[in-house]
Amino acid sequence: SQQGEEDPQALSIQEGENATMNCSYKTSINNLQWYRQNSGRGLVHLILIRSNEREKHSGRLRVTLDTSKKSSSLLITASRAADTASYFCATEVFGGATNKLIFGTGTLLAVQP
Amino acid sequence: KAGVTQTPRYLIKTRGQQVTLSCSPISGHRSVSWYQQTPGQGLQFLFEYFSETQRNKGNFPGRFSGRQFSNSRSEMNVSTLELGDSALYLCASSLEGGRGYGYTFGSGTRLTVV
Repeated sequence: SQQGEEDPQALSIQEGENATMNCSYKTSINNLQWYRQNSGRGLVHLILIRSNEREKHSGRLRVTLDTSKKSSSLLITASRAADTASYFCATEVFGGATNKLIFGTGTLLAVQP
Repeated sequence: KAGVTQTPRYLIKTRGQQVTLSCSPISGHRSVSWYQQTPGQGLQFLFEYFSETQRNKGNFPGRFSGRQFSNSRSEMNVSTLELGDSALYLCASSLEGGRGYGYTFGSGTRLTVV
């Protein structure tokens, strides 16, 4: 079963606008990662934020993490048509035999040119 | 450096058959994880192999198995295929099994069971 829930399920915006997607999870984590998937292809790693970090930037991406609320958000600024894809959050917990990613349900982002 | 290579890209099999999928990780990476993606269940962890040993296993029936070779290439096998096994199967390569450094995914093998 999936740990993460993402909101919204789908988002449609115009090129140049910002896109925000949210992720909630259920248990304590070591880090949270965001991945992009184009048209049912492989996942591309976007950014990783550790549990002791609150905000991280990478290019047009900004990720926040609130461990007290067990939630994260991904902001894509100045979106482009090429950003059209599904976005997944994934949590990672270290330790023993439990090292794996648990994915959220995903947000389908459509950027209209 | 070369990425993660999964073969074949597409596969069509009949119920009851078995299938083997292959994953070649990034050179130097010792961990290979497998995930199943379906519209209904989303992305689910199958298993992880590290240095030829299965280190972690998800909640899948015994029909799903895998192995890893000394060169870190991994195969997963599904026996007695069912219609519900139709999915995109993704493998992920990492240096030490993630541990905070992220994973690199292959393009996947799309399996259709008819």
